[in-house]
Amino acid sequence: DIQMTQSPSSLSASVGDRVTITCRASQSISTYLNWYQQKPGTGPKLLIYAASSLPSGVPSRFSGSRSGADFTLTISSLQPADFATYYCQQSYSAPYSFGQGTKLEIK
Amino acid sequence: QVQLQESGPGLVKPSETLSLTCTVSGGSISDSNYFWGWVRQPPGKGLVWIGDIFYSGSPDYNPSLQSRVTISVDTSKNQFSLKLSSVTAADTAVYYCARKDSGKYDAFDVWGQGTLVSLSS
Repeated sequence: DIQMTQSPSSLSASVGDRVTITCRASQSISTYLNWYQQKPGTGPKLLIYAASSLPSGVPSRFSGSRSGADFTLTISSLQPADFATYYCQQSYSAPYSFGQGTKLEIK
Repeated sequence: QVQLQESGPGLVKPSETLSLTCTVSGGSISDSNYFWGWVRQPPGKGLVWIGDIFYSGSPDYNPSLQSRVTISVDTSKNQFSLKLSSVTAADTAVYYCARKDSGKYDAFDVWGQGTLVSLSS
């Protein structure tokens, strides 16, 4: 099974800050890496698929990148609506695994 | 746009079978671009993939749950279902149904709101 290691587990930041969250796969997953945003009491929302592609409707301040087995989600300028928990997920092979999550809190 | 809605009992007795249904609206469950899946989240914890299914294919299950899980599709009702047998306290979680898009590198692009299933004694 592929393990996804996400860091940090929590992060405090201010509105307007640039924030980076990292996810590492235990083996090669090509670009089959997705990022989700989850707010309390709601289902996850797809933010990034295929490591760097934005679904329609996702603000351009969100971006994703890959460097080998490391994947990064960047929020260029934090907005109040961005304070949530973020998960990475590999869709390369079953069982499709998620990272442990990063809780982004207001400083 | 497509919406998913989970339904089913919020309380299940230990050793019994958890049964949930996901109703798909605004689109067809028979669309060949999509698979239909279940993900769960224990209280305060992360997301765990349970399994998914193509409308005309065999399901794929998480090996950690495979011996207890059944996922099926009812195309006439535009629904898919989850059954988890022999439940224990470890199965208490919010259960989400979700659509997996083969055109988006198999990302789950549409999710239901989730339903909490707890065990009752």
